[in-house]
Amino acid sequence: GNSVTQMEGPVTLSEEAFLTINCTYTATGYPSLFWYVQYPGEGLQLLLKATKADDKGSNKGFEATYRKETTSFHLEKGSVQVSDSAVYFCALSDSGTASKLTFGTGTRLQVTL
Amino acid sequence: GAGVSQSPSNKVTEKGKDVELRCDPISGHTALYWYRQSLGQGLEFLIYFQGNSAPDKSGLPSDRFSAERTGGSVSTLTIQRTQQEDSAVYLCASSPGQNWGDTQYFGPGTRLTVL
Repeated sequence: GNSVTQMEGPVTLSEEAFLTINCTYTATGYPSLFWYVQYPGEGLQLLLKATKADDKGSNKGFEATYRKETTSFHLEKGSVQVSDSAVYFCALSDSGTASKLTFGTGTRLQVTL
Repeated sequence: GAGVSQSPSNKVTEKGKDVELRCDPISGHTALYWYRQSLGQGLEFLIYFQGNSAPDKSGLPSDRFSAERTGGSVSTLTIQRTQQEDSAVYLCASSPGQNWGDTQYFGPGTRLTVL
């Protein structure tokens, strides 16, 4: 079946540090890949997505590249801000299972001054 | 425009009672999903509706859970004879269509506490 594995948190960084949150996946078909973010007290919102191999999704300074050969979709940001503190979820939807999302466990990011 | 709305935002109930959770999707979105977010299980898919097609109920954890979508818009998730393990945040999402690349837009959730 489908699964998403992402690095355990919490991740604590100083402001302006480089961020990587690892995400790997297993899928039966041709997945689309997503990063969702949940800010404190708010609902889930899409951060970025990629729908085919080698696509790069980007938004708000965050980037992730769909790597089919390594089945990965790692999230990166060159310089984090305190306002980026949130829980980040990697997810996939698979052509074999229609559009329902399979989520990773989430990674909490805490950015300090 | 208006996003996905859910009601109530919080629900506290006693074990054994039935509860109904409501979701209003974004106008014009044909696909609607229910997920559950709990400490032990993370984010889990429950059920999804696409237009007039039969819903995909493959994620419902037991026959105490059911959902309907009336008129292709509003959806209600019903949990009968609630148990403490049903305590979670129930999230509703909608998307324009059913393609696996479509973005799902999430509501704020209903936090259910079963005492």
